[in-house]
Amino acid sequence: GENVEQHPSTLSVQEGDSAVIKCTYSDSASNYFPWYKQELGKRPQLIIDIRSNVGEKKDQRIAVTLNKTAKHFSLHITETQPEDSAVYFCAASDQAGTALIFGKGTTLSVSS
Amino acid sequence: KAGVTQTPRYLIKTRGQQVTLSCSPISGHRSVSWYQQTPGQGLQFLFEYFSETQRNKGNFPGRFSGRQFSNSRSEMNVSTLELGDSALYLCASSTQGGGNTGELFFGEGSRLTVL
Repeated sequence: GENVEQHPSTLSVQEGDSAVIKCTYSDSASNYFPWYKQELGKRPQLIIDIRSNVGEKKDQRIAVTLNKTAKHFSLHITETQPEDSAVYFCAASDQAGTALIFGKGTTLSVSS
Repeated sequence: KAGVTQTPRYLIKTRGQQVTLSCSPISGHRSVSWYQQTPGQGLQFLFEYFSETQRNKGNFPGRFSGRQFSNSRSEMNVSTLELGDSALYLCASSTQGGGNTGELFFGEGSRLTVL
C-alpha cells in the first residue's frame, strides 16, 4: 500500500524566514496530495492541496510543488510568522482513492 | 452547519476491556474515515466507510472494527484493549472520501487512555 515519508520531523526558524517540508510517496497511482495543519490541542485542517496534473500551487504565503516522476512533493512557507507554529502533515491518496495516507508530521516552531 | 462531532471526548479503560467511539459527520457527508494519532507516528489510517460500506481498511489488527449507519453516523470499536492502544482517535468526514475529491473535516477526537 501507499507509504508517505515526511522530513524533517522538527523545524525551527526565525520569524520572516522561509520553511520547507518535504514528502515522498510510494504509490505511482496517487493523484491527490493535501497538506494539513494541526495547532496544539486542535483538529487538523486543510491548508493547501495539489492534484497530479498540476506542478505547483500557491496561496498567499504558502505553496506546494509536486514532482510526479520523483514521487515527491513539498510545502513552502514564506515570511513565517509565530502563528505558523504547528504540526504539518502531508498526505497522499491511496490507489483506491478512498483513503488519505499521512506522513508522520513536522513540528514547525517560528520564534520572534 | 455543525462540524464533525465525536463522543466521548475522553475515556479511561483498563487492559482487556473494550471501547466504542462515536462520530457524527457533517450533514450531507457520506464518507467517514477514522485515524489513530500517537506522538511520533502521525495519523495512521484505520478505515473508511461510505454509505454503510467499508471501502478501505488500514493495517490494524482485527481488534479494531467499525461500522456506519444509514444516517452516516459511524462507530469504531476496539476489543481486548492493550496499553499501546492509548491514542487520540480522530474521525473525519467528507463528501466522497478524502483520497479522491478533497477535504477531510476532522472532529476534535476521542482521547483513549488504557491503564
